[in-house]
Amino acid sequence: NAGVTQTPKFRILKIGQSMTLQCAQDMNHNYMYWYRQDPGMGLKLIYYSVGAGITDKGEVPNGYNVSRSTTEDFPLRLELAAPSQTSVYFCASSYGLASYNEQFFGPGTRLTVL
Amino acid sequence: GQNIDQPTEMTATEGAIVQINCTYQTSGFNGLFWYQQHAGEAPTFLSYNVLDGLEEKGRFSSFLSRSKGYSYLLLKELQMKDSASYLCAVDDYKLSFGAGTTVTVRA
Repeated sequence: NAGVTQTPKFRILKIGQSMTLQCAQDMNHNYMYWYRQDPGMGLKLIYYSVGAGITDKGEVPNGYNVSRSTTEDFPLRLELAAPSQTSVYFCASSYGLASYNEQFFGPGTRLTVL
Repeated sequence: GQNIDQPTEMTATEGAIVQINCTYQTSGFNGLFWYQQHAGEAPTFLSYNVLDGLEEKGRFSSFLSRSKGYSYLLLKELQMKDSASYLCAVDDYKLSFGAGTTVTVRA
């Protein structure tokens, strides 16, 4: 099993550009999450999904969109990139809700917006 | 809201013991996770506490007191590879993370 994979690993965007961060998992997990991690800060939940076709906002959803058309994939879309979105983005998945279910994280995407 | 506090940095010597404290004030609580994150890498699961008391797993132990809103992670027989950031996360069906404690192990 590859676990949770993310592409790209690094990306530099100009202000106002758009991009999609890809995330896929092959563990047949129902739950998937997107976090951002700023230097010296904890992970902040952006969006999460409890299954194909079902998504919900996390703590910091502004400026982002998600979709979940399959169990395996959970892409994160940035429509109009801003410098405040410079961060490391982690995708994670779990079998069930957080309770008793550890989350498995992807390797991260390091995004810089200039 | 969620308020989770951990010390920013700790330094210890190889072979020693270090205790990382985490205090929390959250609107909901099901349990508490500890994750390890090496620099430039993804977090990986260390432990999960739902009941009060100590959970031991090899060199790592985690303690929880729900009434006090307090947890700690104990790292024994420190090794150089234990140099990492340790993240405390409160489980309220979604995870709320503390900022992490960077532990540096010196020879």
